[in-house]
Amino acid sequence: GAGVSQSPSNKVTEKGKDVELRCDPISGHTALYWYRQSLGQGLEFLIYFQGNSAPDKSGLPSDRFSAERTGGSVSTLTIQRTQQEDSAVYLCASSLMREKLFFGSGTQLSVL
Amino acid sequence: GQQLNQSPQSMFIQEGEDVSMNCTSSSIFNTWLWYKQDPGEGPVLLIALYKAGELTSNGRLTAQFGITRKDSFLNISASIPSDVGIYFCAGQANTGNQFYFGTGTSLTVIP
Repeated sequence: GAGVSQSPSNKVTEKGKDVELRCDPISGHTALYWYRQSLGQGLEFLIYFQGNSAPDKSGLPSDRFSAERTGGSVSTLTIQRTQQEDSAVYLCASSLMREKLFFGSGTQLSVL
Repeated sequence: GQQLNQSPQSMFIQEGEDVSMNCTSSSIFNTWLWYKQDPGEGPVLLIALYKAGELTSNGRLTAQFGITRKDSFLNISASIPSDVGIYFCAGQANTGNQFYFGTGTSLTVIP
């Protein structure tokens, strides 16, 4: 597609359940980022993928969070044993190398 | 991690007025980006800056990359109601991969 696509747009889950969030980056973009945005807050870096290099996981808040990027394209962010404090908008962005980021519309995650 | 101080936190202005907001960082950046975010949407890129002192315009928007490489400014001239939203600055250092984001400026334009 022409832009970054994220799914689902909304996800409601129960505390303790696992969730998977998907990101389809812009075709040809080698870099992919995941950010988290809590209500009324700025963007918190989570993880960065660049080509076939090892991902930069320095922003992941706990070992319940993991992400993978298959074939250098689609990425999945997985949150295990969700907690209420995980509730936020999860944003994916892609870019060419270290150029400007283009964002998807995000996944609104609500943990009850 | 890096701290990006963005100010003001919120602005309430009359339609037609000019707006100015800025970001400062604790260290040197090589790239500054400015984004606008509408409710329920992801941030949309407005302006990208790559060189110290660079001044770039996009319609009624003008942004500058500070000479010290630790700050950036965004100006909006002759504001209109559709300028309403949250504006974020983002910066990237020479080392490392991530873009650091400011906490945002919420803009309200009163018709």
